[in-house]
Amino acid sequence: SAVISQKPSRDICQRGTSLTIQCQVDSQVTMMFWYRQQPGQSLTLIATANQGSEATYESGFVIDKFPISRPNLTFSTLTVSNLSPEDSSIYLCSAAGVQGGEQYFGPGTRLTVT
Amino acid sequence: GQQLNQSPQSMFIQEGEDVSMNCTSSSIFNTWLWYKQDPGEGPVLLIALYKAGELTSNGRLTAQFGITRKDSFLNISASIPSDVGIYFCAGPMTTDSWGKLQFGAGTQVVVTP
Repeated sequence: SAVISQKPSRDICQRGTSLTIQCQVDSQVTMMFWYRQQPGQSLTLIATANQGSEATYESGFVIDKFPISRPNLTFSTLTVSNLSPEDSSIYLCSAAGVQGGEQYFGPGTRLTVT
Repeated sequence: GQQLNQSPQSMFIQEGEDVSMNCTSSSIFNTWLWYKQDPGEGPVLLIALYKAGELTSNGRLTAQFGITRKDSFLNISASIPSDVGIYFCAGPMTTDSWGKLQFGAGTQVVVTP
C-alpha cells in the first residue's frame, strides 16, 4: 500500500484568496486523484492528476477554479482559487497503482473559508 | 452515470454485536471497495473485491461481491469501540473509468459499551 501525506492539514483562508494543497506519495504511482468532501457528506471526485499533462476534470469542476499540477509520479498539488465560504470542505488526494483497483487516500486538508 | 446506494445511513449498536451494511449499484461493477473514515482522517481501505461472488475477510470484517455484480455487503463481527466511524463503499464511476471512484453516502456506526 502507498503512504500519502498532505500539506497543510488544515487552514483558514479569507474569501477571495487561494490555497494550494500538496500531496506526496512515498512511492511512484500511476494514478493520482483529488476528491472533495463537503461537511457531513461523502467524497466527490474533482479530477485526475495526469503526470506531464493537463488534469482531467469531472463534471462541475473546472481548471480555473481547481488548477492541478503533477510534475512527477509521486507529487501533485491542488489549488482552490478565488475562495468562497462554499469551498469550505476537506480536500483529499488519493493514489492508485498499475493494478488500478486498490486506491489509498491521504489524511485530507480541512479548509475553512471566512 | 452509475448510482450507488448505501444503507443503512447510521447504526447504533452495543459492543459485541454484529454489524451489516450494504451497497447497491444501478449498473454492473467490476470492483467494490470498502473504506472506513475516522474523524479528521482520510478514508482507510478495508477490503477490495474484484470478482462476482468473492467473499473476503480482514480480521473481524467480511465483505462480499454480489453475484449480480450490482451489490456488495460488509459485515463486522463482535463489534468493539474502535469500530466507531463512517464506512463507505466505492466503485468505478463508469465501466471504463479506470481508477475514478464514486462513493456511497456512508454508514455511521456508533458502538455503545
